Amino acid sequence: AQKVTQAQTEISVVEKEDVTLDCVYETRDTTYYLFWYKQPPSGELVFLIRRNSFDEQNEISGRYSWNFQKSTSSFNFTITASQVVDSAVYFCALSEAGGGADGLTFGKGTHLIIQP
Amino acid sequence: DAGVTQSPTHLIKTRGQQVTLRCSPKSGHDTVSWYQQALGQGPQFIFQYYEEEERQRGNFPDRFSGHQFPNYSSELNVNALLLGDSALYLCASSLMGVRYSFFGPGTRLTVL
Repeated sequence: AQKVTQAQTEISVVEKEDVTLDCVYETRDTTYYLFWYKQPPSGELVFLIRRNSFDEQNEISGRYSWNFQKSTSSFNFTITASQVVDSAVYFCALSEAGGGADGLTFGKGTHLIIQP
Repeated sequence: DAGVTQSPTHLIKTRGQQVTLRCSPKSGHDTVSWYQQALGQGPQFIFQYYEEEERQRGNFPDRFSGHQFPNYSSELNVNALLLGDSALYLCASSLMGVRYSFFGPGTRLTVL
């Protein structure tokens, strides 16, 4: 069975600090997809990134970067120079490739608080 | 281009009642998935519909059922409501095979 663990329940940092959100996953499939979503107080999940299991290249998008390491089954998310607007709950999720359907398995989320 | 829309926004029901939630996918999307998010938890996958059929189901009882219409919109039905069914119900749409989903704003269901 697939599982996603986000061990950090809540992180609080001061604005402009760098912060890393951890994600560890479990799956028996060799082909799978990993995701990060942001959930602001409004409740709507906002897609941030998707990675497939064959692409271990790290990715940077502005202040956001992602580190995917299959050897440790981790897909960590770093925000550089954090801003108050980054405050939200962040979810890591996993989708296995079999059968075409792609229901997501989410972690419990990390509540990120950026203090001014 | 409208994103994923859900109705109603909020709903209050009592135990034992039945409820129907509605979702319209993003334009061009053909697949709809439903998730339940309890307070302080991550979303849990209920089921996914494609071509008007349930293609995948999570670990939810038969009280949870759904439907997809020819225009790709979808309904989630929950029978015999329990207090534990109180949650935010999220609808997500995608294009089959593309593998990333857009989520709607959710329906907040409260069961008293």
